[in-house]
Amino acid sequence: QQQVRQSSQSLTVWEGETAILNCSYENSAFDYFPWYQQFPGEGPALLIAIRSVSDKKEDGRFTIFFNKREKNLSLHIKDSQPGDSATYFCAANYGSSGNKLIFGIGTLLSVKP
Amino acid sequence: EAAVTQSPRNKVAVTGGKVTLSCNQTNNHNNMYWYRQDTGHGLRLIHYSYGAGSTEKGDIPDGYKASRPSQENFSLILELATPSQTSVYFCASGGDNNYAEQFFGPGTRLTVL
Repeated sequence: QQQVRQSSQSLTVWEGETAILNCSYENSAFDYFPWYQQFPGEGPALLIAIRSVSDKKEDGRFTIFFNKREKNLSLHIKDSQPGDSATYFCAANYGSSGNKLIFGIGTLLSVKP
Repeated sequence: EAAVTQSPRNKVAVTGGKVTLSCNQTNNHNNMYWYRQDTGHGLRLIHYSYGAGSTEKGDIPDGYKASRPSQENFSLILELATPSQTSVYFCASGGDNNYAEQFFGPGTRLTVL
């Protein structure tokens, strides 16, 4: 049962383009949605996160757009750079204690120069 | 200074053998987590802990035990390793806040022959 779905397992864009990574979820009780970035051979690291009370969160070239009614969100990476090539995990918080996260399967982004 | 470290980084085990994966954090976080990462599944929570002496089952606990002897250390134990447990294992630590970031270690690649 995949409660957090990432629609693409891989995505390729050219340098300078905007990469759009999509995510959807099933449980309307989820209220916190972090995106983690993982480079090969490393552990994931928090990139940007949004709470369900907001519909947009921006941090430099990275923006999350959140649609609570449709239960989906997307991560936009503006002016993509080859250094952005990594796997991106959408996640959702569940459980009121312990800050447990449920992760999507990840999207491997390749940015071609 | 790496705040979450894991040992060993690579391990080859035989079927039926006992494997212990270790994790140490210097973040002084109460919460610690063990995940496994497999292609097509993303990160899945095995066990987690709220503090020294506590362990809780995550989403896929079967075949695994956990131990939290201190604030800093959290171990994952495979009493009878099986080839299906071949994977990359990540440990993470996080604060108590529902929106707290999780900090991941570099991972342990386990192969069970």
